[in-house]
Amino acid sequence: QKEVEQNSGPLSVPEGAIASLNCTYSDRGSQSFFWYRQYSGKSPELIMSIYSNGDKEDGRFTAQLNKASQYVSLLIRDSQPSDSATYLCAVNPFMNTGFQKLVFGTGTRLLVSP
Amino acid sequence: GAGVSQSPRYKVAKRGQDVALRCDPISGHVSLFWYQQALGQGPEFLTYFQNEAQLDKSGLPSDRFFAERPEGSVSTLKIQRTQQEDSAVYLCASSGQGVGNTEAFFGQGTRLTVV
Repeated sequence: QKEVEQNSGPLSVPEGAIASLNCTYSDRGSQSFFWYRQYSGKSPELIMSIYSNGDKEDGRFTAQLNKASQYVSLLIRDSQPSDSATYLCAVNPFMNTGFQKLVFGTGTRLLVSP
Repeated sequence: GAGVSQSPRYKVAKRGQDVALRCDPISGHVSLFWYQQALGQGPEFLTYFQNEAQLDKSGLPSDRFFAERPEGSVSTLKIQRTQQEDSAVYLCASSGQGVGNTEAFFGQGTRLTVV
């Protein structure tokens, strides 16, 4: 079992719809969770971080964390063609002592059609 | 600089050649990471520095890989006797320290092609 699992997709949604991206992780002690967006040929770009159970909203993006279920998701409202990219879920499996080792999933490719 | 800077952006090496990849982190960031990303995969952890101390090198795939950060700022990832399986994008990331500074920011990466 991989430490961080994501469906590779592609996930196809029409413009204006809500895109829902999901991620599960195996280390129950994980403390920090991140979503990165990666356009083809580019480096990962941090878009959301979440540290406690519940929802965290930032513009059109909402991250959801459920530590009991070891599940983190990213919702993108009013999806735009420019949102088409690979979305990487990353988990810090260590207690936050100032040390961080992000473990990434393989990413979910999102396609937003006009 | 404003962001993490990596050089070169692209490197073509003949099999058996040694290469050195440079990373200049965000000013003031104490944590620095190297990742390897193969095509269609997520980044895989290679090694981690806190200031000049290499605290974790468990992801380095072989003893041909070596990383250093002698003054706690710029880091170099060196690959000796490159092999075709070393072809990948090598990403460097940096972050601050502490609860509010665990977010890591990536450079543009170095695409290494071994021929």
